[in-house]
Amino acid sequence: AQKVTQAQTEISVVEKEDVTLDCVYETRDTTYYLFWYKQPPSGELVFLIRRNSFDEQNEISGRYSWNFQKSTSSFNFTITASQVVDSAVYFCALSPLGLSGANSKLTFGKGITLSVRP
Amino acid sequence: NAGVTQTPKFRILKIGQSMTLQCTQDMNHNYMYWYRQDPGMGLKLIYYSVGAGITDKGEVPNGYNVSRSTTEDFPLRLELAAPSQTSVYFCASSSSSFNQPQHFGDGTRLSIL
Repeated sequence: AQKVTQAQTEISVVEKEDVTLDCVYETRDTTYYLFWYKQPPSGELVFLIRRNSFDEQNEISGRYSWNFQKSTSSFNFTITASQVVDSAVYFCALSPLGLSGANSKLTFGKGITLSVRP
Repeated sequence: NAGVTQTPKFRILKIGQSMTLQCTQDMNHNYMYWYRQDPGMGLKLIYYSVGAGITDKGEVPNGYNVSRSTTEDFPLRLELAAPSQTSVYFCASSSSSFNQPQHFGDGTRLSIL
């Protein structure tokens, strides 16, 4: 069984601050995928990034960056120079590589509510 | 491109009533999913489908049913609504597997009173 832990439940920062959202996962599978999704106040979930377990290279996309460390089973997400529009709930999720559906289903963390104040 | 469309957006049901949450996608995705989101609990998988005519249970299937007669549509049925089914329901789809990014609908907020 897999598990995703997002220990931070709520984070509040002032605009332009940097903020890191933590994600720790557990899985017995050697090959798996990690995801981050954003849920803004409007409610829909938006895909942000997918990484596979063989690719530990950090990724940067504009103000967003992701740090994947297999040694600590973590996949942390950093927002640089945060903006009010970054206010949302952020979910980390894990999916083992599998040929059949049930064994590779996506397991979500409980989410982190980020509030960015002007 | 509409993506994943869910209807209705909001609904209030009385205990014991039944209803169907509609979901349709226009991306020709094989995989479709239904999740429920309860406050502070993340998303839990209710049912999923890997293609037309094929459905399977997720983590929390009790009290729900699904069908997948076409690639596009994946309705979720509540037969005897219970207060424990008060939640926000999300439909999602992905091209080929759980490992692919999922595209979500806007959600249906359902209250059972």
